[in-house]
Amino acid sequence: EIVLTQSPATLSLSPGERATLSCRASQSVSGYLAWYQQKPGQAPRLLIYGAFNRATDIPARFSGSGSGTDFTLTISGLEAEDFAVYYCQQRSNWPLSFGGGTKVEIK
Amino acid sequence: EVQLLESGGGLVQPGGSLRLSCAVSGFSFNNYVMSWVRQAPGKGLDWVSSISGGGDQSFYADSVKGRFTISRDNSKNTLYLQMNSLRAEDTAIYYCAKNFQWSYFDYWGQGALVTVSS
Repeated sequence: EIVLTQSPATLSLSPGERATLSCRASQSVSGYLAWYQQKPGQAPRLLIYGAFNRATDIPARFSGSGSGTDFTLTISGLEAEDFAVYYCQQRSNWPLSFGGGTKVEIK
Repeated sequence: EVQLLESGGGLVQPGGSLRLSCAVSGFSFNNYVMSWVRQAPGKGLDWVSSISGGGDQSFYADSVKGRFTISRDNSKNTLYLQMNSLRAEDTAIYYCAKNFQWSYFDYWGQGALVTVSS
C-alpha cells in the first residue's frame, strides 16, 4: 500500500500570501496524483489531477507540480475562500490512498 | 448538472448491517467507474471501494474486504454499498463519488452518516 505523507499539518497564512503544500509518497506514483480541497461540512472538491492539470473551473492561482514521490500544491495569493483542508490522493496502485491533509488557516 | 444523492445512513449496532444507496443523474452512469469514500468524524479521507462501469470489476480497501460489497444497477442509475459485520471504526460519513480518469474523483455526493454504536 502506498502511504502519502502531507506537510505541514497546519499552515497559518494571511490573505494574499503564497501557500506551498507538500505531499510525499512512500514509493513512486509517477504522475498519478490529485489534490482536493474540503471546507467544513462540505464534500471534497477536485482541484488538480495528473500532478499538474487543473480540474474544471479551478482558478489559475492553484497549481500542482512534482512527479515520482514528491509533489507540491501551490496557491499563489490566498483568497478568503481558500482557507480549507487540502488532501492529496494517488491512483498509481490499488488500494487508492489519501494523505492525512493540510489545514490552511487564517493567521 | 451532475448530481449524486446518498441515502440509507443511520445508527446501527456493532455486528449489524446497513445498505447505502447513491442515486445519480446528469451523466451516462454506465460509462463511469464509481466509488465510495468515507471520512470518520474529524479525520481524513479514506477510500473504501470502487466498481467498474459494467459492474464486472470491484476493488476494496483491506479494512472492509469480506464485509462490504459494492454493486450498481445501471438501469436505475444507482450505486450501492452493502455493509455487514459493522464495527465502531466504520463510523463515518460515506461519500459516493464519480470517478474520473479511472481513479480520481471529480463529483461527490453530500454524504451519508453511518454510526456504529450500541
